[in-house]
Amino acid sequence: GQNIDQPTEMTATEGAIVQINCTYQTSGFNGLFWYQQHAGEAPTFLSYNVLDGLEEKGRFSSFLSRSKGYSYLLLKELQMKDSASYLCAVKGRGGGNKLTFGTGTQLKVEL
Amino acid sequence: DTEVTQTPKHLVMGMTNKKSLKCEQHMGHRAMYWYKQKAKKPPELMFVYSYEKLSINESVPSRFSPECPNSSLLNLHLHALQPEDSALYLCASSPLLAGADTQYFGPGTRLTVL
Repeated sequence: GQNIDQPTEMTATEGAIVQINCTYQTSGFNGLFWYQQHAGEAPTFLSYNVLDGLEEKGRFSSFLSRSKGYSYLLLKELQMKDSASYLCAVKGRGGGNKLTFGTGTQLKVEL
Repeated sequence: DTEVTQTPKHLVMGMTNKKSLKCEQHMGHRAMYWYKQKAKKPPELMFVYSYEKLSINESVPSRFSPECPNSSLLNLHLHALQPEDSALYLCASSPLLAGADTQYFGPGTRLTVL
């Protein structure tokens, strides 16, 4: 089976940096995805990691350590529009093309 | 273009009704998915179609019946639903790549069962 843990809620200040952590235990690993989801809307793809290290995309970066079963999403220069739920999702080996989602971290950006 | 479209946006139905949700993508993706999402919860996988064939059914009750008429279309037929089936139903598609096979989601259909 697969188990994915994320903090439930985080609050940060506009212009600041925030790190959202995700830990996972899976039977096989074939990549980790981060999605952003605004209330009532569809999840939108942010990043993908399959090898250890940091992937940077503008204000968003994602890090993976496969040996530790750990990833984080780093958001820089926070804006009010970044207030959303951030979902960590893991793709296991076998089991078809299945993604297992964590419960999501609700980020609130304040002035 | 990474657009997945879904209709209708909202649906209200009684427990004896029969209705269908529709999903369409024109990205040439070969896998399509149905997810169910309750408020403040993550999406839960229901079905996966790969190359127009059902490849995963996550033990979904038979009152939900998926159909993939062609590689661009995915339907979810609903019959005799229960109030607890009220949720956001999300469709997604992916190219079926070996590596970063990113799933792209549609805007969802918000279903209310009375």
